[in-house]
Formats: sequence, structure tokens, C-alpha cells
Amino acid sequence: GAGVSQSPSNKVTEKGKDVELRCDPISGHTALYWYRQSLGQGLEFLIYFQGNSAPDKSGLPSDRFSAERTGGSVSTLTIQRTQQEDSAVYLCASAPTGTLRETQYFGPGTRLLVL
Amino acid sequence: GENVEQHPSTLSVQEGDSAVIKCTYSDSASNYFPWYKQELGKRPQLIIDIRSNVGEKKDQRIAVTLNKTAKHFSLHITETQPEDSAVYFCAAWVTSYDKVIFGPGTSLSVIP
Repeated sequence: GAGVSQSPSNKVTEKGKDVELRCDPISGHTALYWYRQSLGQGLEFLIYFQGNSAPDKSGLPSDRFSAERTGGSVSTLTIQRTQQEDSAVYLCASAPTGTLRETQYFGPGTRLLVL
Repeated sequence: GENVEQHPSTLSVQEGDSAVIKCTYSDSASNYFPWYKQELGKRPQLIIDIRSNVGEKKDQRIAVTLNKTAKHFSLHITETQPEDSAVYFCAAWVTSYDKVIFGPGTSLSVIP
């Protein structure tokens, strides 16, 4: 079946502009995670959704970052007033319910460049 | 807080040799330990995982071992090939937070 998809695949924006990144999880997966990966670095956890609610927002770097999920499916990560340090690959992952809920499937990522 | 350490950060091996990557975790309640491989410019992909009721698991050339008492787990790759070159991330599932904590990654280079 279809895997996790993300759009856009690449985004170039100017400092101070807002951007929206989209994640389409695998159908039926109730858990959805956002991560940030700077060049050559590890996976920085941003936020986790279970259904439409976000029990863990602890990783959001600042109040410029927000995310929502609607219908238990698509999620949007919004970065307001982008800064150059926001440049990174933003990865989304989804996971099923039940005993396999720990297994995350990653999307291809959105490469964000803030000029 | 919960933490996963991973060593080494970089590893170079000759083709055909073995590679070992070691991780430690802090949350004793962790019970699931996946390993992800991320090739350059690609997404992380699950390559093997182990649960806390098992001490070792093998899948062809890769194996993972777990020592719950010491809170250590390791990835072993035998007969390495150039296509094994990638960044490998270990992770530990934190039950109380319902999420995985990733290690910082190991960049493996297999020299032909």
C-alpha cells in the first residue's frame, strides 16, 4: 500500500515568511510524529499526535512552530516568521495502533531552506 | 529525562569485515528497540527491532542483541558491503511517553 507522503518535497523561502508542511500518513495509522533533521545531525523530536490530539508538544522549538491534525489523518506543521536556523529536513512518521504502535514509518521529508 | 546514547559516531570498516554499533538507554521501562538505516538523502527505514523479552534477533547479515540488566543493545552487521554505508539510528520506546527516543546516529562507511 501507499506509504507516508509529504509535501512539498523542497521548499525555499525568505526569512520572515510563513511556511506550511504537509504529511499524509499511512491509512489507518493513528499515531503521527514530526521530526527535524539538520544537515548531518540526528532526529529531533518535535510533536506527536494520537488521533487529532497532541499529547506531547515538548519538542517544538518555539511558539513560531505549531501543528495540527484533522480527521485523524493529514497533519500540517506551520512555521511562522521563518529564520535561517529553521533550515532543515522535516520528517513525518506514522505508526499503527495496538502492539505494533511503536514501529514508525517515515515519509521522504520536506527540505526547507530559509534564505 | 529519557536518553539514548550511541557509539561510535562514525565507523569505517573494510568490505567483508563486521561492524558493531552500541547503544545505551536510561528508561528501564523501555521494552522495544528498533534500528533505522538512513542512506544519504533518503528517509530512515526500519531494518530490525527487538523486544525486551528477547535477548537476540537475527536477520541474514544483521543481528541485534539486548542486555536489559545493563540497558545496552547493539547492532551487528557481518560481511559488510558498500551498500551498508549509511547512518544508523538506534531507538528505545518510552512507554510512559508513547514515543521512541532516537540515538544521535552512527555514520558507517564500508570501504571497498
